[in-house]
Amino acid sequence: DADVTQTPRNRITKTGKRIMLECSQTKGHDRMYWYRQDPGLGLRLIYYSFDVKDINKGEISDGYSVSRQAQAKFSLSLESAIPNQTALYFCATSGWAGDGNTQYFGPGTRLTVL
Amino acid sequence: QKEVEQNSGPLSVPEGAIASLNCTYSDRGSQSFFWYRQYSGKSPELIMSIYSNGDKEDGRFTAQLNKASQYVSLLIRDSQPSDSATYLCAVNPSNFGNEKLTFGTGTRLTIIP
Repeated sequence: DADVTQTPRNRITKTGKRIMLECSQTKGHDRMYWYRQDPGLGLRLIYYSFDVKDINKGEISDGYSVSRQAQAKFSLSLESAIPNQTALYFCATSGWAGDGNTQYFGPGTRLTVL
Repeated sequence: QKEVEQNSGPLSVPEGAIASLNCTYSDRGSQSFFWYRQYSGKSPELIMSIYSNGDKEDGRFTAQLNKASQYVSLLIRDSQPSDSATYLCAVNPSNFGNEKLTFGTGTRLTIIP
């Protein structure tokens, strides 16, 4: 089984709808991250969490919110989806700082907002 | 100025040749460096990590780090068509307590059979 899973893998939604993307991990890592990827722009950090009680904004958090329900679960919500949020979304996890913050990625969610 | 810069490519290399991918970074205090491979529509996959100046080899892959010049490179020997992908460079910045990675935009590599 995959160490980092994301659901759904693909989603098409309409402008104004609320949508939640979910991430689960079995790696036992404390740190979890949400990125979006757009052609030519690379990976951009949306939110990150270093433990269940720690949530931090990344470089592009506007229009998004997150919830860290447990060490193994980190959800990303789009409160009112808009077309420019169409992108590939990745969840990632990392373990202890001693490995330089190596991050391991989930399979991604392709989101289309019409 | 971008914090992590890569040539976007595409970089075309004949099968069996050496592919050389380069990355420069702006934060002189950066401590750890990573190369990820990403196939189209798939998630990034860690290939190499490097923390000290010099070379680190793993199979056909060699990472090279030069902190004085602020660059890190990835060499792929005996390039195979399956190496065709986008390669992302990632850097752990130096801020105390900052455990985020900064990614470059990636270099697209095509291996020509």
